[in-house]
Amino acid sequence: EADIYQTPRYLVIGTGKKITLECSQTMGHDKMYWYQQDPGMELHLIHYSYGVNSTEKGDLSSESTVSRIRTEHFPLTLESARPSHTSQYLCASSEQKHIYNEQFFGPGTRLTVL
Amino acid sequence: QKEVEQNSGPLSVPEGAIASLNCTYSDRGSQSFFWYRQYSGKSPELIMFIYSNGDKEDGRFTAQLNKASQYVSLLIRDSQPSDSATYLCAVPNGQNFVFGPGTRLSVLP
Repeated sequence: EADIYQTPRYLVIGTGKKITLECSQTMGHDKMYWYQQDPGMELHLIHYSYGVNSTEKGDLSSESTVSRIRTEHFPLTLESARPSHTSQYLCASSEQKHIYNEQFFGPGTRLTVL
Repeated sequence: QKEVEQNSGPLSVPEGAIASLNCTYSDRGSQSFFWYRQYSGKSPELIMFIYSNGDKEDGRFTAQLNKASQYVSLLIRDSQPSDSATYLCAVPNGQNFVFGPGTRLSVLP
């Protein structure tokens, strides 16, 4: 079982609020990722990190920001939540091992912005 | 940008039948391929990976890779209703992954 955690699991919040979605992993993985996924739709990469102090934007434009101050922690922040941010947010991590570099996913945070 | 394509489905098979899920990819240089299963409302979980041409078997699951045709498939033998889920094909892209859109499988009792 993957040791990657996300909190909160569910969040309902009003428009304009600042929120931070937490993601932590205890596997010592250097690489961490945030995906956004609407119900029944594709995974979209919104942010990733190769290690401490490294962050990059993904393929899908996002108004969120991330930070990577510690290896195990990769929080995602929305400064001002809007209804268009309503979605499921999945955190993942991986370790490069030859050509086998499985991504382990957290349980996800389901965000609803009213 | 690498592309990974899958039929979105739904693919419906009767219980006990073989389900065949297909994935094509655009980058001939791709070396490894992953199949994830995602139940509705849950996060993806790895079920198979393959990096050599041919077949790889794990229990009821068989992954088949044909690099010349840029094609990877997943066969599920003796399908069970509990196999009903969306199956995602994923290909490494540098330090990241490219995920296909997924095929929704429904196993009918």
